Amino acid sequence: EVQLLESGGGLDQPGGSLRLSCAASGFTYSNYAMSWVRQAPGKGLEWVSGISGLGDTTSYADSVKGRFTISRDNSKNTLYLQMNSLRAEDTAIYYCAKTTKQWLVSVLLDYWGQGTLVTVSS
Amino acid sequence: DIVMTQSPDSLAVSLGERATINCKSSQSVLYSSNNKNYLAWYQQKPGQPPKLLIYWASTRESGVPDRFSGSGSGTDFTLTISSLQAADVAVYYCQQYYTTPLTFGGGTKVEIK
Repeated sequence: EVQLLESGGGLDQPGGSLRLSCAASGFTYSNYAMSWVRQAPGKGLEWVSGISGLGDTTSYADSVKGRFTISRDNSKNTLYLQMNSLRAEDTAIYYCAKTTKQWLVSVLLDYWGQGTLVTVSS
Repeated sequence: DIVMTQSPDSLAVSLGERATINCKSSQSVLYSSNNKNYLAWYQQKPGQPPKLLIYWASTRESGVPDRFSGSGSGTDFTLTISSLQAADVAVYYCQQYYTTPLTFGGGTKVEIK
């Protein structure tokens, strides 16, 4: 059974940093690209970033480019999102999602974690 | 970026009746080399993450009841719930995976009338 467990969310001030983690199990982790998707309170879904199965290709939404960094450790089956220069508009539930293939091309998101809440406020 | 536009924003349907949600993309998500539409539908219930319902515009994910069906091609798509059940109360999102950034529609809230 595929399981994705996010952690690392919390309250931080504007300009601060947080690092999210997503522990994966139930599948061969390095065979699949992974993504982060966020959802502001009461709002819709916004794709944030993706990374290929081997970690050699990454992609970002314009809204986070230059501030957020996605990475993965395939020896630990863990996905990360380093979030710097946080803004109030980054406040959201952050979901980790598994894709259906290794390359970060035309990827479908088939399993999602329960999410971790990030609140950016002074 | 491909913009996904859903309609309506919300709808209330009687139990057992049909619910229809529309989704339009700002450019075609049909890949000509394989004739597949890179369009998915997700269901999100309160307090839960999204759940994949349909991909390739019309293929149901394993375990999804057959009252859910997807149709359309190119830029215009539809999700139909043929006979609404209480368990179907949720927000439904369309999403294109033709290219990054992956983009979602704004969501359609389905309620019981």
